[in-house]
Amino acid sequence: SQTIHQWPATLVQPVGSPLSLECTVEGTSNPNLYWYRQAAGRGLQLLFYSVGIGQISSEVPQNLSASRPQDRQFILSSKKLLLSDSGFYLCAWYGGNTEAFFGQGTRLTVV
Amino acid sequence: AQSVTQPDIHITVSEGASLELRCNYSYGATPYLFWYVQSPGQGLQLLLKYFSGDTLVQGIKGFEAEFKRSQSSFNLRKPSVHWSDAAEYFCAVDTSGTYKYIFGTGTRLKVLA
Repeated sequence: SQTIHQWPATLVQPVGSPLSLECTVEGTSNPNLYWYRQAAGRGLQLLFYSVGIGQISSEVPQNLSASRPQDRQFILSSKKLLLSDSGFYLCAWYGGNTEAFFGQGTRLTVV
Repeated sequence: AQSVTQPDIHITVSEGASLELRCNYSYGATPYLFWYVQSPGQGLQLLLKYFSGDTLVQGIKGFEAEFKRSQSSFNLRKPSVHWSDAAEYFCAVDTSGTYKYIFGTGTRLKVLA
């Protein structure tokens, strides 16, 4: 069966520090991959979307970037975190079934 | 622009009472429609989805939702709420078939014993 892993589960980082969040999917090949962010008091917003290795679509302008170095690996990064980057980050995948599946999320607090 | 509105930020119901969570979308055609539930600090779990056909769809945990094209709505219902239903509920649409969801802002449900 397919599973999705996100880590770390929680992260506290100082302003100006770099960020790397990782998401991996098992049990499927060539999935579509997504990064969403849930900021305090707001809904989930799609940040990045990928249909294949090295193919990244940015959905909103921001301080973050994404990469897909392998078929089932999706990484969210920042060179210098801002306070406004705080939030709950969710990775998701879609593989031709009828729904997208979400990871357990990473709670990022920028201090 | 396409959007999803969940007008109720918080809802409180007593255990055993009925529940209806509202969702309206703005889109020129009928999108794919979804309801997800998020327990505290957790990812999202799909409750139900609508693509086409019968406008009343059944989901997991005793939930159902009704699609009303004339109202651009997809409201979630449960006839008798359990304490374990306390969570945040998100309505989402997919207008492109790429599963790039547009989410509503969510409704936080509190259940009173």
